[in-house]
Amino acid sequence: NAGVTQTPKFQVLKTGQSMTLQCAQDMNHNSMYWYRQDPGMGLRLIYYSASEGTTDKGEVPNGYNVSRLNKREFSLRLESAAPSQTSVYFCASSESSGVYEQYFGPGTRLTVT
Amino acid sequence: AQSVTQLGSHVSVSEGALVLLRCNYSSSVPPYLFWYVQYPNQGLQLLLKYTTGATLVKGINGFEAEFKKSETSFHLTKPSAHMSDAAEYFCAVEASGTYKYIFGTGTRLKVLA
Repeated sequence: NAGVTQTPKFQVLKTGQSMTLQCAQDMNHNSMYWYRQDPGMGLRLIYYSASEGTTDKGEVPNGYNVSRLNKREFSLRLESAAPSQTSVYFCASSESSGVYEQYFGPGTRLTVT
Repeated sequence: AQSVTQLGSHVSVSEGALVLLRCNYSSSVPPYLFWYVQYPNQGLQLLLKYTTGATLVKGINGFEAEFKKSETSFHLTKPSAHMSDAAEYFCAVEASGTYKYIFGTGTRLKVLA
């Protein structure tokens, strides 16, 4: 089992460019999440998908869109990147909410210049 | 609304000494509480979690945490630190099935030889 995989691992964008971060899980989990991690701020939830076909905003959704392509895949899109979106992005999955632990991918380090 | 406060962004202990990492939470409903560990350039992995029942929770690598409702705390402890415990530790709360996990800002643990 690969667990949660993310691509790419690193990316440099210029302001205004767009890109999609890909995430896939092979644990048959229902729920998937996107977080950003910034120094001194911990992890902040961008969007989540409770189950296939549903997505909802988290704490910091502005500037991002998501797609739950199927049960395995959950992508995060930056339509017009800004320097404030420089961060490390983590995808996670869980069986459901509440008592269930989240399994995290290795992260994508994004720099916007 | 839920929130998590981790006191001390950096903690240093000597090898063999007690590890105590503090976490206080606020939640309007009974919370689910988690501790995650992050090693350099990796995603987060679960150390332990509290859902219901026994308030002293044991996790991996000799860590444990005690849920104290009256103090709204969920502090992480380990009797004897090992060099391999050097990492960043995150406390998280999820409010009863909302899918919105709130993470603390993290505590970086340094273990001195």
